[in-house]
Amino acid sequence: GNSVTQMEGPVTLSEEAFLTINCTYTATGYPSLFWYVQYPGEGLQLLLKATKADDKGSNKGFEATYRKETTSFHLEKGSVQVSDSAVYFCALYSGGSNYKLTFGKGTLLTVNP
Amino acid sequence: EAQVTQNPRYLITVTGKKLTVTCSQNMNHEYMSWYRQDPGLGLRQIYYSMNVEVTDKGDVPEGYKVSRKEKRNFPLILESPSPNQTSLYFCASGLTGLASYNEQFFGPGTRLTVL
Repeated sequence: GNSVTQMEGPVTLSEEAFLTINCTYTATGYPSLFWYVQYPGEGLQLLLKATKADDKGSNKGFEATYRKETTSFHLEKGSVQVSDSAVYFCALYSGGSNYKLTFGKGTLLTVNP
Repeated sequence: EAQVTQNPRYLITVTGKKLTVTCSQNMNHEYMSWYRQDPGLGLRQIYYSMNVEVTDKGDVPEGYKVSRKEKRNFPLILESPSPNQTSLYFCASGLTGLASYNEQFFGPGTRLTVL
């Protein structure tokens, strides 16, 4: 079946540090890939997505590239801010009538001033 | 504003007392779904609905019911809640079809505690 593995947290960084959160996946076919962000006390918001190999999703300074050869979709940001503190979820959709998103377990990021 | 709303946001109840968590979306989406989020497990799908009167089980449906009488609403019903249903619940909606790429929009969550 489908699965998503993302790096265990928590991740603690200082403001302006470089961020990488690793995400690898196992799926049939050609999945769509997503990063969702959950700020404290809020629901999940779509951060970025990529729908085919070599696509780069980007939003709010975050980027992730769909790498089919390594089945990866790592999230990066060049300079994090305190306001980026949140839980980040990698997710995929590989087709199927249930339209189910398969999520990783989430990575808690804390950015200190 | 396009959004998915859930009510209540927080609920503490006791074992066996029936409850309903409401979900409503204003984006005219065909697809709606319920997930539960538990520490270390990520999000798991409970039930989903492809359209009015069309619902089906997800990965963890035991102890839950749903209905879809109107396109915008998708309530989650716990007929006899138990402590293992203590969790954070999210409702989601989205378009269907190839062009949608299955981008889903999530509600703010309902934190349920069953004593």
